[in-house]
Amino acid sequence: GEDVEQSLFLSVREGDSSVINCTYTDSSSTYLYWYKQEPGAGLQLLTYIFSNMDMKQDQRLTVLLNKKDKHLSLRIADTQTGDSAIYFCAESTYSGYSTLTFGKGTMLLVSP
Amino acid sequence: DSGVTQTPKHLITATGQRVTLRCSPRSGDLSVYWYQQSLDQGLQFLIQYYNGEERAKGNILERFSAQQFPDLHSELNLSSLELGDSALYFCASSVGGRGRSGNTIYFGEGSWLTVV
Repeated sequence: GEDVEQSLFLSVREGDSSVINCTYTDSSSTYLYWYKQEPGAGLQLLTYIFSNMDMKQDQRLTVLLNKKDKHLSLRIADTQTGDSAIYFCAESTYSGYSTLTFGKGTMLLVSP
Repeated sequence: DSGVTQTPKHLITATGQRVTLRCSPRSGDLSVYWYQQSLDQGLQFLIQYYNGEERAKGNILERFSAQQFPDLHSELNLSSLELGDSALYFCASSVGGRGRSGNTIYFGEGSWLTVV
């Protein structure tokens, strides 16, 4: 079955880089996503990556994918206090339909 | 703003009752998904509809049902509610319905359900 694992908590100082890691088990995953959830808010799609890509960069965000190890990471450069949120990794589970399997989320706390 | 609209935003109801959550997908999106977020289970996929037809089913209880109407909005019906059904229910939408199509899934802000 599919399983997505994330570390639960990360604390960084403002201006540092944050790296949030995720591992997944479904080798047929075609797309991997990062979502952000701020307190009391919905899920905001941050970025996604095709499984045949190694890296994707979008402004302060860099996604790295190691398909051999089924490891995904999200790097946030110059982390700001406004980046404090829960970050979810998700894989697109190919059962013929595009449902998402989520990790439990990583709470990122950015201190001034 | 993702373009996915959910109502109500908050709902408090008693055990044994029935509620309906409503979702309007982004303009042009044919697929609607329902997810449940709770502290113990995390984000769980419930069900997917594509252009009015059920496409995929996840961990949806028999007490729960959903449908997608011709105008593409969707409703999630929760009946015989129990305390454990208290959760944040998300609706999401996407253009297509198949995993390999580059489908980007956008989420609404959720409906907070509290069962007392």
